[in-house]
Amino acid sequence: AQSVAQPEDQVNVAEGNPLTVKCTYSVSGNPYLFWYVQYPNRGLQFLLKYITGDNLVKGSYGFEAEFNKSQTSFHLKKPSALVSDSALYFCAVRDMWNTNAGKSTFGDGTTLTVKP
Amino acid sequence: DGGITQSPKYLFRKEGQNVTLSCEQNLNHDAMYWYRQDPGQGLRLIYYSQIVNDFQKGDIAEGYSVSREKKESFPLTVTSAQKNPTAFYLCASSSEDRAGLYEQYFGPGTRLTVT
Repeated sequence: AQSVAQPEDQVNVAEGNPLTVKCTYSVSGNPYLFWYVQYPNRGLQFLLKYITGDNLVKGSYGFEAEFNKSQTSFHLKKPSALVSDSALYFCAVRDMWNTNAGKSTFGDGTTLTVKP
Repeated sequence: DGGITQSPKYLFRKEGQNVTLSCEQNLNHDAMYWYRQDPGQGLRLIYYSQIVNDFQKGDIAEGYSVSREKKESFPLTVTSAQKNPTAFYLCASSSEDRAGLYEQYFGPGTRLTVT
């Protein structure tokens, strides 16, 4: 079985400050991990993914995420937040042993608000 | 929303009517998906398809049906058997292999309201 949790419904940061959006996961084998962003009344956009290799993954719009196997976490980070980063963020996980291709599990989402 | 179109953007139906949501992609992706999004509940998988003429039930398939007659098209029918059909519906596609290494690309969504 695979599952993912985003423990914070809402994250508020001031513009220019670093931001972190948390994600933890549970899988039987090794995880494939993804972050997506959703702006109001739009579809999701892919930000970044971890498959294997370097634990620090860099993605679109200056975002990065760190894979931590011991803590089963994949937190999304950005060194300096912009007001335009305000959106809904989803973490998703796929167990590499999951033979049902395409069946990623999504978290419930975290609303990020960046205040000027 | 890169290469995936969903129509219409807003859809209103009376209770008891079936309704079909359109999803088309020009990304040449093999896999396509339908999700339902409700406030505070994230995305829930309705159906997915890895290849033409084949599809699998997701976590909440009851009251829904799909077809995959062409690689680029994956329409979703919300039937009258779906007890709570009002929601935001998202279609996605991916260049899928069995390892599932590829991210999903999403359409702009269809907001269905049933009264």
